[in-house]
Amino acid sequence: DAKTTQPNSMESNEEEPVHLPCNHSTISGTDYIHWYRQLPSQGPEYVIHGLTSNVNNRMASLAIAEDRKSSTLILHRATLRDAAVYYCILGKTSYDKVIFGPGTSLSVIP
Amino acid sequence: DAGVTQSPTHLIKTRGQQVTLRCSPKSGHDTVSWYQQALGQGPQFIFQYYEEEERQRGNFPDRFSGHQFPNYSSELNVNALLLGDSALYLCASSSDRGLEQYFGPGTRLTVT
Repeated sequence: DAKTTQPNSMESNEEEPVHLPCNHSTISGTDYIHWYRQLPSQGPEYVIHGLTSNVNNRMASLAIAEDRKSSTLILHRATLRDAAVYYCILGKTSYDKVIFGPGTSLSVIP
Repeated sequence: DAGVTQSPTHLIKTRGQQVTLRCSPKSGHDTVSWYQQALGQGPQFIFQYYEEEERQRGNFPDRFSGHQFPNYSSELNVNALLLGDSALYLCASSSDRGLEQYFGPGTRLTVT
């Protein structure tokens, strides 16, 4: 299984943009990059996914490096509700077993 | 749409007992995956069910078994409970053609 590497923790000020990095140097050509987040005392929540091109949705943007060996999840304006553990995961389809690493714990400072 | 629902919310069992956890997938989803999340760690994949059969399995012993019903709901069974089985058990559903999984709130199992 291809692995991802993320910083253990990050801090952001409220209402500022947040860039959460993820390295995946062993990614295969058919692996999608998925991001999930887990708020305290809740199950993980799907955020966004992409293959090659940058992606935007109502929650976040995903910037994928040209060589696909790294990606960045961008929260355009952090709110206190965005404080969570963010997981970067590789997978080919929804029926791939989803392998979670330790993720990045994001703290948002008021 | 109620999303993914799990029952019960909390459960306390004694070592050696057996437990059954239940999951109802999001409407329109036919695939159910189960995860175990120990405190302070990321979820660990247990297995996935599709068309009432186990399609993928993680590194968990045979004490962990499951079932999927014709209405796509699923059960996770754990036999001969150990203290180390204490964790949050998460169910996730997806469409076989979809790329995202939707997680339930989990069942908190405590083994004493």
